[in-house]
Amino acid sequence: QPVLTQPTSLSASPGASARFTCTLRSGINVGAYRIYWYQQKSGSLPRYLLKYKSDSDKQQGSGVPSRFSGSKDASTNAGLLLISGLQSEDEADYYCAIWYSSTWVFGGGTKLTVL
Amino acid sequence: EVQLVESGGGLVQPGGSLRLSCAASGFTFSSYDMNWVRQAPGKGLEWVSYIGSSGTTIFYADSVKGRFTISRDNAKNSLYLQMNSLRAEDTALYYCTRDRHDYWGQGTLVTVSS
Repeated sequence: QPVLTQPTSLSASPGASARFTCTLRSGINVGAYRIYWYQQKSGSLPRYLLKYKSDSDKQQGSGVPSRFSGSKDASTNAGLLLISGLQSEDEADYYCAIWYSSTWVFGGGTKLTVL
Repeated sequence: EVQLVESGGGLVQPGGSLRLSCAASGFTFSSYDMNWVRQAPGKGLEWVSYIGSSGTTIFYADSVKGRFTISRDNAKNSLYLQMNSLRAEDTALYYCTRDRHDYWGQGTLVTVSS
């Protein structure tokens, strides 16, 4: 079982909200980790969006709009990326990552389609 | 402005070697940990290696351990990745990233093929 699991795809309408999940493998407690999120548009390099551990330990990436936010769902052991007010330009692949056991681990990515 | 510029990629035969470089500017390079992250064509992101700011702490992904060597020269604001015993599955765009991957270079393409 991978350390981080992300759904392969997600679709939502312009103006709506999108909720991305990054589920940590059983036995790895989401509460103990900072979850990092990255956006990669087609043909472009990845962009750092934000990191989230708790409401008192979070950081927005430089120039990242406030409609991008992080959270956690302890009940499902998942980190969450929330995008409100979806725009067509938000269509991209979204990756989560954690620093785990002296390695960086990336999730497989979720492709967001805005339709 | 933070800039990371990779170079050194190219076409190499299986079993061959390449040395990637990353030139950093716009920040105090010696104060930051650095990484190499790769992305195979049409695939997701895969972390390759980490080096601490002083160069003394180093980690590798299992997939490259024993074949790749990361290093840095803080006097030259440069990061390196020596890649030996290259395999077809090492074919990817290799990115240099700062710290928690808050900045990325444009990447350099490594193609391993006969």
